[in-house]
Amino acid sequence: QVQLQESGPGLVKPSQTLSLTCTVSGGSISSGSYYWSWIRQPAGKGLEWIGRIYSRGSTNYNSSLKSRVTISVDTSKNQFSLKLNSVTAADTAVYYCARTTPDWTTVSFDYWGQGALVTVSS
Amino acid sequence: SYELSQPPSLSVSPGQTASITCSGDKLGEKYASWYQQRPGQSPVLVIYEDNKRPSGIPERFSGSNSGNTATLTISGTQAMDEADYYCQTWAITVIFGGGTKLTVL
Repeated sequence: QVQLQESGPGLVKPSQTLSLTCTVSGGSISSGSYYWSWIRQPAGKGLEWIGRIYSRGSTNYNSSLKSRVTISVDTSKNQFSLKLNSVTAADTAVYYCARTTPDWTTVSFDYWGQGALVTVSS
Repeated sequence: SYELSQPPSLSVSPGQTASITCSGDKLGEKYASWYQQRPGQSPVLVIYEDNKRPSGIPERFSGSNSGNTATLTISGTQAMDEADYYCQTWAITVIFGGGTKLTVL
C-alpha cells in the first residue's frame, strides 16, 4: 500500500519561502505512470491544486500560483518537494501531497498524505 | 475560468439516500471524481471517472454524471458517512468544488 508523508517547517515568515517534502513509501515514485501532486486547504475552506510532477521531472502548475511555485523530485530518496516563495498570510493552509493518475482528462488523486499545517506569520 | 458548484450542506437521516450534486458547464462531457473528508482527516477518493469505486470503498457509494451535473449518491447512509464531500474535474487545470457538508441525523 502506497503511503505519503509530508514534512517541513510549520511556521514561515511573510515574504520567505515555504518548503515541504513528501516521502513516498510502499512503492517506487518512479514506477508506473503516476504523477505526484501538491494540494492545499486553508482552514475551513476547500481544496486547491498547486501542481504536479512526474518522476522524470516534467511539471504542471496551477496558473494562479505558477510564478511562485517550484516542484522537484529526488527519485533516489523516493521524495518530491514543494517550494512556494514570497509567501503571505493567504498561503497559510494544510498542504497535502497526493499520488495523481496520469491522464489529464480522468485525473484523480488516489493516495494522500496526512497533511502538514503551514502557518505564515512573523 | 471553470467552476464547480456544490450545495454547502445536506442533511439526511440514517438509512436514507443522500444525493450530493456538483454543477458545472457541460460537466457531463468531462470526468468527475469525488472525495470524502472526515473532520481532521485527509481526503479519500470515493468515486473516480464518474462512477468507478476504488478498492475498499463500500458499494453504497455510487456516482453519475450527465448534462451539467455530477451526482454522488450514498445509499443507506450511515453515521460514519458524515463528512465533507468534494467533487473534482479537469478543465485546463484541476478544479475542485467548494464542498458539501453531509450531516447524518
